Amino acid sequence: DTAVSQTPKYLVTQMGNDKSIKCEQNLGHDTMYWYKQDSKKFLKIMFSYNNKELIINETVPNRFSPKSPDKAHLNLHINSLELGDSAVYFCASSPGGGAGYEQYFGPGTRLTVT
Amino acid sequence: GENVEQHPSTLSVQEGDSAVIKCTYSDSASNYFPWYKQELGKRPQLIIDIRSNVGEKKDQRIAVTLNKTAKHFSLHITETQPEDSAVYFCAALRRGSNYKLTFGKGTLLTVNP
Repeated sequence: DTAVSQTPKYLVTQMGNDKSIKCEQNLGHDTMYWYKQDSKKFLKIMFSYNNKELIINETVPNRFSPKSPDKAHLNLHINSLELGDSAVYFCASSPGGGAGYEQYFGPGTRLTVT
Repeated sequence: GENVEQHPSTLSVQEGDSAVIKCTYSDSASNYFPWYKQELGKRPQLIIDIRSNVGEKKDQRIAVTLNKTAKHFSLHITETQPEDSAVYFCAALRRGSNYKLTFGKGTLLTVNP
């Protein structure tokens, strides 16, 4: 059973387009995250939701908008894609609160903007 | 905010040797320190973690040590094998940060057969 899943795995699109990445976790975790991993492999947090509430919103362009319809899902919508948005985007989840800090990552979505 | 420095950026060892990766953190309020392994094209996976009330933790060939006074922690891999080759990330989580993990920049470990 896949714990944290993302779709699509690969996304190739042109500058200016709008795209979405979906994430689902079946671990019963309260907290979900979006990370960006650039070409130098640096992992940087973008957003975090706890029980559908946004709790971390790092300095990212407002072209990026997360949405959490329920605590098992966290989607990322990107408007007006730019070349610099090319990266691997990872979703992750953790129990949150006193249940533990361990974060479990999804398989990643490799976004290529041409 | 928290800042995590990781060294070295690349490490090459012979199979069977030990490997040590070191990290320092800036915020004394940090209390959770995980290590992740990321194989090429794969997701980061948690391999070991330590909390600030513990000085050392071991799991088979891997161990992590924490020095709270000096604000540094290290990953030790003994009897390295080619399948240990990957990028390793350290991270720190500060109390009250809404579970925000700050990652080091990673260490590419290559184990030569």
